[in-house]
Amino acid sequence: KAGVTQTPRYLIKTRGQQVTLSCSPISGHRSVSWYQQTPGQGLQFLFEYFSETQRNKGNFPGRFSGRQFSNSRSEMNVSTLELGDSALYLCASSGEERDRYYEQYFGPGTRLTVT
Amino acid sequence: DQQVKQNSPSLSVQEGRISILNCDYTNSMFDYFLWYKKYPAEGPTFLISISSIKDKNEDGRFTVFLNKSAKHLSLHIVPSQPGDSAVYFCAAIYFGNEKLTFGTGTRLTIIP
Repeated sequence: KAGVTQTPRYLIKTRGQQVTLSCSPISGHRSVSWYQQTPGQGLQFLFEYFSETQRNKGNFPGRFSGRQFSNSRSEMNVSTLELGDSALYLCASSGEERDRYYEQYFGPGTRLTVT
Repeated sequence: DQQVKQNSPSLSVQEGRISILNCDYTNSMFDYFLWYKKYPAEGPTFLISISSIKDKNEDGRFTVFLNKSAKHLSLHIVPSQPGDSAVYFCAAIYFGNEKLTFGTGTRLTIIP
């Protein structure tokens, strides 16, 4: 099976702009989660979608939002970008295999730089 | 509140020897634990996992041990190889809150 893919791989944006990141999960996986990785805060959970519904949400401001489509592909949007939003954004998908429900498989990430 | 902790930021091990990476957690609701390996600018790669109903799980060179009473888990890599040099994260999750809580990572360096 193909792995999790994320586009674009790199982005440079200016403060105040907005950005949309895309994630295609492993075929057959219905759960998609998003994480932010920064040197100071480590890997932090943003939100999780399952069957087009947000099921879990982390402690990020409302500027961070997401959605999931019927084919399980997901997008993440960040509005009014701040310098502190510069990070590696990671998408992970998981399936429903018995005993392996919790295993999340990550994409390569999108490196966002805000100037 | 850091619910998953990796107290060793770095570890160096001779090639061929055993590498032991440790992880502690505080939330007793966690019922599934995972180890990931990560290279710079790449996504984490899943290595091995363990359910809270078990105390050991093996997969090739990797073995994860879970001590629930001590809220401690460890990853053993035997024998260690140069390609194992990376940052290792432990993560925990529980039913009903399907988000991975990650530790801060341990950078493992295998010395040839």
